[in-house]
This record gives sequence, C-alpha cells and structure tokens, in this order.
Amino acid sequence: GNSVTQMEGPVTLSEEAFLTINCTYTATGYPSLFWYVQYPGEGLQLLLKATKADDKGSNKGFEATYRKETTSFHLEKGSVQVSDSAVYFCALTGSVFYGGSQGNLIFGKGTKLSVKP
Amino acid sequence: SAVISQKPSRDICQRGTSLTIQCQVDSQVTMMFWYRQQPGQSLTLIATANQGSEATYESGFVIDKFPISRPNLTFSTLTVSNMSPEDSSIYLCSVVPSGSPTDTQYFGPGTRLTVL
Repeated sequence: GNSVTQMEGPVTLSEEAFLTINCTYTATGYPSLFWYVQYPGEGLQLLLKATKADDKGSNKGFEATYRKETTSFHLEKGSVQVSDSAVYFCALTGSVFYGGSQGNLIFGKGTKLSVKP
Repeated sequence: SAVISQKPSRDICQRGTSLTIQCQVDSQVTMMFWYRQQPGQSLTLIATANQGSEATYESGFVIDKFPISRPNLTFSTLTVSNMSPEDSSIYLCSVVPSGSPTDTQYFGPGTRLTVL
C-alpha cells in the first residue's frame, strides 16, 4: 500500500543554515504530495503541495519538488529562522482511481526541527 | 482555507467513560474527516464524516467505538466510547472547503485526550 518515509529527527540547526528534510514515498498511481507543519502548541497547517511530477511547491521560503523518478519530495529552505522550529510532516493522498480513499492522507512520522539563534 | 475550531481543546477522562469532540467550520465544506495522532506517532485517518448519512470508517476503526455525526455542512462530532488509556491521543478534524481542490485538507487545532 501507499506509504511515506521521512528522515528521523530531531534536526537541530543554527539560524540561517540550509535545511533539507528528506521524504520518499511508495504509491500506486499518481498521488498529490504535501508538507504540513505543526508549530508548538498549534494545529497542523498546510505548508506546500505538488500535484504532479516535476511540480515545485513553495511557501514561506520552503520548497519541495515532486520527483517521480526517485519517488521523493524533499523539503528545503535556504536560510532557516528560529520561528521555523516545528514538526514537519510529509504526506500523500491516495488515488481514488486505484482504489484509494480520497480522504486518506497518509503521513510520515514527522521530523522535529529546532533552530537555535 | 477555512477557520476550524474544536471543542474541547483538551480533556482528562476516566477509563470506561465517553467523550464527544466537536468540530465547527466557519464556512461550508465538501468533505470532513477525523484523524488520530497517538503520542509520538503520525496521523491516522479514522473516518470520513458524511453529511446526512453514516460515516465511512477506515480499517481498524468501528462505529461502535467512534460514532460520528455530521448533521450539516459545517459541523461534525466524534465520540470516543468506552475509553481506555490506549485512546489517549490528539484527535483532529480536517476539511476540504467548498471550491478548494479535493486533494487538499485543512486541519483543526486538535483535541488532546488523556485517559486515566
């Protein structure tokens, strides 16, 4: 079945460092891919998405490119800030055309990022 | 997007009791879902809340344990019945707002449940 694997955390960086959080997936069909972020004490927020191969999602300085050949959707940011400290979840949707549940967002286990001043 | 609220935000309950969690959205949505996030784990879909009909449950979740109502397009409840400590989790509702792509969900702030 569909699954998402993301790098284990926690990840600790200094402010202005480059960030990469790896995410790979296994899926039938053509899923949409997402990054969600959960700031301390807050709910889950959609950070960015990509719906087809070679699409690049971007938001708040974060980027991720849908790579079908490597089944990856790595999250990157060129210069992190203390305010980026959060837990980041990679996720994909099942494809209803291949028997998946449309609502079933499949999440990775999350990667906790801590950014130090 | 949509503004989603959940009540209660957190609760501590005794084993064997039930808790009903409410999810309210400020605008009409096409789809509503309930997820569970167990401690240190990722999110797992419990069910799709269908407006005016029975919810659609994912494998491993049953209506007797997690009854769901959705009386209209902006409101849903999830009940966690006959609770045990293993039910201690964060419960989140998510929605697909009307007019938004059907593959994109927005999440409520969650209800943190602790069962003693």
